[in-house]
Amino acid sequence: EIVLTQSPGTLSLSPGERATLSCRASQSISSSYLAWYQQKPGQAPRLLIYGASSRATGIPDRFSGSGSGTDFTLTISRLEPEDFAVYYCQQYGSSPFTFGPGTKVDIK
Amino acid sequence: QLQLQESGPGLVKPSETLSLTCTVSGGFISGSGYYWGWIRQPPGKGLEWIGSIYYSGSTYYNPSLKSRLTISVDTSKNQFSLKLSSVTAADTAVYYCARQYSYGWVWFDPWGQGSLVTVSS
Repeated sequence: EIVLTQSPGTLSLSPGERATLSCRASQSISSSYLAWYQQKPGQAPRLLIYGASSRATGIPDRFSGSGSGTDFTLTISRLEPEDFAVYYCQQYGSSPFTFGPGTKVDIK
Repeated sequence: QLQLQESGPGLVKPSETLSLTCTVSGGFISGSGYYWGWIRQPPGKGLEWIGSIYYSGSTYYNPSLKSRLTISVDTSKNQFSLKLSSVTAADTAVYYCARQYSYGWVWFDPWGQGSLVTVSS
């Protein structure tokens, strides 16, 4: 089973700042099969990125994903008030498909 | 716009079977090429993929749950269902259903709002 580690656990930033979230895998993820989700309190997760770098439909271009192998990054170029949430990465390179523990982005 | 809605009992006794149904609206389960998945999230914790199904009935499960798990589909009702047997407190979670892009490209979008299931006597 591929274990995903996300860092930092919490990121405290101000609106307008840049957020850089890391997701590291215990082994290489084939074909960059990695997705990112955003979850707000009391809501279901929302898909942001798939294939490590492809934005899902309707996702603003301030969200971008990069990386390959074992190291992946989600970048939010300029934080908007609605971006403060928990972010999860998920690998689908091999079953079972696993999620990281999440990074909480909160307001500084 | 595709929408998914989970339904089922919110309280299940230990050792019994947890049963949930996901109703899909705004689109059809069958013939679209998509898979349909279940994911759960214990309170205050992270996400765990449970298993997935195709409209034909083909399934694949998380090995950690496989011995207790059955996922089925009813295309006539545009629904798919989850049964998890011999539940314990560790199965207490919000259970989400979601559309999965395909067999090999396993990302989930959109998701249902989630259904909290508590295992307690």
